[in-house]
Amino acid sequence: AQSVAQPEDQVNVAEGNPLTVKCTYSVSGNPYLFWYVQYPNRGLQFLLKYITGDNLVKGSYGFEAEFNKSQTSFHLKKPSALVSDSALYFCAVRVIAYNTDKLIFGTGTRLQVFP
Amino acid sequence: NAGVTQTPKFRILKIGQSMTLQCTQDMNHNYMYWYRQDPGMGLKLIYYSVGAGITDKGEVPNGYNVSRSTTEDFPLRLELAAPSQTSVYFCASSYPGQGMEAKNIQYFGAGTRLSVL
Repeated sequence: AQSVAQPEDQVNVAEGNPLTVKCTYSVSGNPYLFWYVQYPNRGLQFLLKYITGDNLVKGSYGFEAEFNKSQTSFHLKKPSALVSDSALYFCAVRVIAYNTDKLIFGTGTRLQVFP
Repeated sequence: NAGVTQTPKFRILKIGQSMTLQCTQDMNHNYMYWYRQDPGMGLKLIYYSVGAGITDKGEVPNGYNVSRSTTEDFPLRLELAAPSQTSVYFCASSYPGQGMEAKNIQYFGAGTRLSVL
């Protein structure tokens, strides 16, 4: 079955330090992978995606993600965290079949950036 | 530029009551989705639609119904509300694209917070 796993419920990091939010996936075929962010009382917002090509994907707000096929991972990273990055982050994998095109989301990781 | 609009933002229901959560999008997206978000559980897909007149069940469809008579609208119906349906509901839409341009970036509404007491 297609799935994604986010092994950390929460990640704490000091402002200015690098951050990593982990995601691993299980899919048949080539994966389409996404990261979304959710700020309090808001819907999810798209951050970045991996479809094919360069394993390092750059997205919004200075975030990037590294696709690693051998480790089936798609970790979200940022070189220097900001307090305003504090939010809930979701990894997702796209599932495509006849008449089906949907995303399966991980359980989310809460990022807390301390001043 | 409205995007995906959900109404109402908040609602309290009594057990057994019915209601419809409204969702409309102005981006001419083919695909629309309903999710529920429970604490610590991420998002669970309730129903989705790949176009007007076509709907299908997601992971947690029991207790819900949908219809898709137009491209823009995708209402979610709760017929007999139960406490287990207390949650935050999100509607989303996407344009899947074709081949190498396929993206399926989903755009989300702000959510409806529903309590069933």
